[in-house]
Amino acid sequence: GAVVSQHPSRVICKSGTSVKIECRSLDFQATTMFWYRQFPKQSLMLMATSNEGSKATYEQGVEKDKFLINHASLTLSTLTVTSAHPEDSSFYICSATTGGNNEQFFGPGTRLTVL
Amino acid sequence: AQSVTQLDSQVPVFEEAPVELRCNYSSSVSVYLFWYVQYPNQGLQLLLKYLSGSTLVKGINGFEAEFNKSQTSFHLRKPSVHISDTAEYFCAVSELNLNKFYFGSGTKLNVKP
Repeated sequence: GAVVSQHPSRVICKSGTSVKIECRSLDFQATTMFWYRQFPKQSLMLMATSNEGSKATYEQGVEKDKFLINHASLTLSTLTVTSAHPEDSSFYICSATTGGNNEQFFGPGTRLTVL
Repeated sequence: AQSVTQLDSQVPVFEEAPVELRCNYSSSVSVYLFWYVQYPNQGLQLLLKYLSGSTLVKGINGFEAEFNKSQTSFHLRKPSVHISDTAEYFCAVSELNLNKFYFGSGTKLNVKP
């Protein structure tokens, strides 16, 4: 149980285009989902926290107009990188929690490469 | 805010040797503690967690960790490592009743034959 999927696993796009990444909790309802960014050889950096049906809470320094987060249902959250640039290339990981015990279940990640 | 320190960025070790990966955190309140493993180009997999109770926590793949409140540490150990344990390991803390996780910088475990 507690499986989180992400789609796509890899995406390559041209500079200036937008990319949408989906995060789904497959066998549980996630009250809260999180989006992380991981640069090569670095730790995970929390970008934002999203609760179903409400606006996401962004961490300091993360541009909310560039990284659009939608959490339309208890099993789906999306991250859209708008007008992507090469510096947005990174590994994006989502996680989900049911709220109990604070445990987060992580997705397999999405490798974004912006040319 | 919490901070999590993983002192060793890389730990080389020979197969079947014991290993300890260190994790220290700073917090003035009670926390939950976690260790995750990440294989290349994959997400994070939970190894073990400490929520309450016994300070010695056993996880998957033969790993265990001990919570030491006085030293604010949560070191990860395995008595005999395998080649397949080669991966990056992250320590994380979370305050009680809060969803936010704070991750350490990670320790890359390299098991040599």
